[in-house]
Amino acid sequence: NAGVTQTPKFRILKIGQSMTLQCTQDMNHNYMYWYRQDPGMGLKLIYYSVGAGITDKGEVPNGYNVSRSTTEDFPLRLELAAPSQTSVYFCASNNQPQHFGDGTRLSIL
Amino acid sequence: RKEVEQDPGPFNVPEGATVAFNCTYSNSASQSFFWYRQDCRKEPKLLMSVYSSGNEDGRFTAQLNRASQYISLLIRDSKLSDSATYLCVVNLRSGSARQLTFGSGTQLTVLP
Repeated sequence: NAGVTQTPKFRILKIGQSMTLQCTQDMNHNYMYWYRQDPGMGLKLIYYSVGAGITDKGEVPNGYNVSRSTTEDFPLRLELAAPSQTSVYFCASNNQPQHFGDGTRLSIL
Repeated sequence: RKEVEQDPGPFNVPEGATVAFNCTYSNSASQSFFWYRQDCRKEPKLLMSVYSSGNEDGRFTAQLNRASQYISLLIRDSKLSDSATYLCVVNLRSGSARQLTFGSGTQLTVLP
């Protein structure tokens, strides 16, 4: 019962570094999403995808990039990490309901 | 104005109490509505969908008022295990994809 798997679970980055947050789902869902959740706030949509090869911006896409080369994988790329990107990142798949991964806790120092 | 607004909370209630959460949404074209539950430092999980006629799932009752753009969640006979943050979520269909808009959440603590 893997569901949605996110790696890593925790990461500390220095300002200006880059990294990729991995997300994999084994449920053959077409829809996948990346959210960020700041402390005490709701989730904000960064990017989403309706299928392999198709991605689109959400509410807060600046500073991030995504790709969707397969149905299973939807990685999120941070090119130049900034302190404002310190957050918890959730990947989700499916539509109604959405199934979430455990999250990646990212700190930029 | 936020797209989805919730009671600020936190709510601290004794076991067995009844507690109600409210939520308003700004986009009258919103098509579907949900309550998600999020435990501390965990991922959100769907609690229940909200239907126009109102719906119940055990101790939980959800109501929707489209005219007032208002959603509610009622929890009866609160249990310690109900302690969590409850997220009001609205579905705004955009092009070919459906996007969920999340409220900031209302924190509930059920006290022994």
